[in-house]
Amino acid sequence: DTAVSQTPKYLVTQMGNDKSIKCEQNLGHDTMYWYKQDSKKFLKIMFSYNNKELIINETVPNRFSPKSPDKAHLNLHINSLELGDSAVYFCASSQEGQLQYSPLHFGNGTRLTVT
Amino acid sequence: AQSVTQLGSHVSVSEGALVLLRCNYSSSVPPYLFWYVQYPNQGLQLLLKYTSAATLVKGINGFEAEFKKSETSFHLTKPSAHMSDAAEYFCAVSDQNDKLIFGTGTRLQVFP
Repeated sequence: DTAVSQTPKYLVTQMGNDKSIKCEQNLGHDTMYWYKQDSKKFLKIMFSYNNKELIINETVPNRFSPKSPDKAHLNLHINSLELGDSAVYFCASSQEGQLQYSPLHFGNGTRLTVT
Repeated sequence: AQSVTQLGSHVSVSEGALVLLRCNYSSSVPPYLFWYVQYPNQGLQLLLKYTSAATLVKGINGFEAEFKKSETSFHLTKPSAHMSDAAEYFCAVSDQNDKLIFGTGTRLQVFP
């Protein structure tokens, strides 16, 4: 069983389009995250949700909108895609406020290519 | 604010040789420190973590790391490298908001 699963694995699209990435976790965790990994492998947090509520919102353009229909799902919608959005996006989950006991569990990533 | 610095973006070793990946941290509070590994086309997987218990932490796949407060370091070691250890390794620190802050990663290559 995949603990954190995200779809699609690859996403190729043109500038200006709107796209979504879905994420689901079956670990029973309260907190879910989106991380962006750029071409130099640098990982940066974008958002975190705890039990459907937004907790962390880094300085991410408002073209990015996370949506959490329930605590097991955190989707990422991106409007008006730009070339600079090309990256690998990772979903992750953990138990709230307990990274020292419940470290992050990552999905396998979605490679977004904007042409 | 917390941060981590990984010295060396690439490390190459021969199979059977010692692996040493360096990580220094900056934190205004006692830190929680982590090492994650990323195999090609996969997500990150936890190798080991330091949470203020024992300073020498053992992880999976024969890796271990030692927390040295005086040196603000948390270097990752493995006595004998295996070909399957080739991957990207990330050091990370957890801040007070329970947010993981990653280093820039070190790519480990293992030669036969």
